[in-house]
Order: sequence, then structure tokens, then C-alpha cells
Amino acid sequence: AQSVSQHNHHVILSEAASLELGCNYSYGGTVNLFWYVQYPGQHLQLLLKYFSGDPLVKGIKGFEAEFIKSKFSFNLRKPSVQWSDTAEYFCAVSGTGNTPLVFGKGTRLSVIA
Amino acid sequence: ETGVTQTPRHLVMGMTNKKSLKCEQHLGHNAMYWYKQSAKKPLELMFVYSLEERVENNSVPSRFSPECPNSSHLFLHLHTLQPEDSALYLCASSQDFRGNTIYFGEGSWLTVV
Repeated sequence: AQSVSQHNHHVILSEAASLELGCNYSYGGTVNLFWYVQYPGQHLQLLLKYFSGDPLVKGIKGFEAEFIKSKFSFNLRKPSVQWSDTAEYFCAVSGTGNTPLVFGKGTRLSVIA
Repeated sequence: ETGVTQTPRHLVMGMTNKKSLKCEQHLGHNAMYWYKQSAKKPLELMFVYSLEERVENNSVPSRFSPECPNSSHLFLHLHTLQPEDSALYLCASSQDFRGNTIYFGEGSWLTVV
């Protein structure tokens, strides 16, 4: 069965700091990879996704993630965070067949002025 | 507006009550999902319906009973719940049940007293 690990439970950064959130997955086959974000009081929404092709994926709001197959990782990055990036970030993975998304526990990001 | 609408947004129920959560998607999708989001736990997939047939049931207690009358509507019937069932219940949909992007509703906050 697939699983997803997000090692950081809570990350606190100052504005303009660089961000990297770790995500590792466990699955034996070809995967689709996702990052979702949940801003305070809002619904979960897609930040970016990787299905195939260029392993460096760019998403909304300046976020990007890199799929490193050999490390089973899909880390999320942003070069300079803003206060408005304060949210909970969820990594998710599914197989490419009939398998549902499996989510990590989430990482809470707090950006302080 | 996410295209996935959940009602009610907040529900408080006693342990002997019977209530239902409702979800409607306006995206023309063929797969619908119920997830449970609790504090400090990963998003837990509860049920998946694909073309109105249940394709996944992750060992969810029978006090939760899903119903999918058509591809646009999904219900979660609740009966004799326990306080530990208090959580945010998220409905979601995707084009089909094949590792595609999932679109979430805003959730129904359930408190069992």
C-alpha cells in the first residue's frame, strides 16, 4: 500500500525566507504526485501536480516541486515566502491505475513579518 | 467557489441522533469521495464512488453509511456516532477514479456530543 511522509509538522519562517517542505512516498509503481494547500478557513486546493515529463513542476503563487524518483521524494519549494503563504500544505500520491490519493499528515507553515 | 458544495457546514449531534451530510458537485465528474480530516492525523479516505458504484471502503465503521444516488450527489448518513468521530468531513470529486486531480468541498465540521 502506498504511504506518504511529511517530516516537518510545523515550520515557522520569516517573510522573504526560502521554503522547502519535504515529502517522501512509498509506492512500487508509477505515481502521480500532488501538493495541496489549505489556507486558514478555506478548502483544500491544488497547488501543483506531477504526472510525467519534466520532474521540476511549477505551480501557482511561485511554488515549485521537484520529483526525484531515486529518492522517492517530491519536495515543495518557494524562494521567498510571504505572510499570505501561511497555510497547511499536504503532499499526496496515487498510482496511475485505479488507486485513490493518499495524503501525508500535512505541514503547517507560519510566516511571520 | 470550488464546484463541490457541502451542507451543512457545521453540525452538532448527540450520540443517539441520525443526521446526514450532503455533497453536490457541479464539475461533471464521475468519481466522488468522502475524506475525514482530524487534528494531527493524515487525511483519511473513507469511501470512493465511481460512476455511482462504491469502489473503496477503507474499514469505516458501519455507523457511517454512504449513498450515491447519481454521479453529482453524495451523502454520508450518520447514526450513533461517538465523540471521537468529531472531525471535518470533506467531500471531493475527480474526473474519474484513476489518480486524477481531486477537487475538494469546503467541508462539514461535525461535533458529536
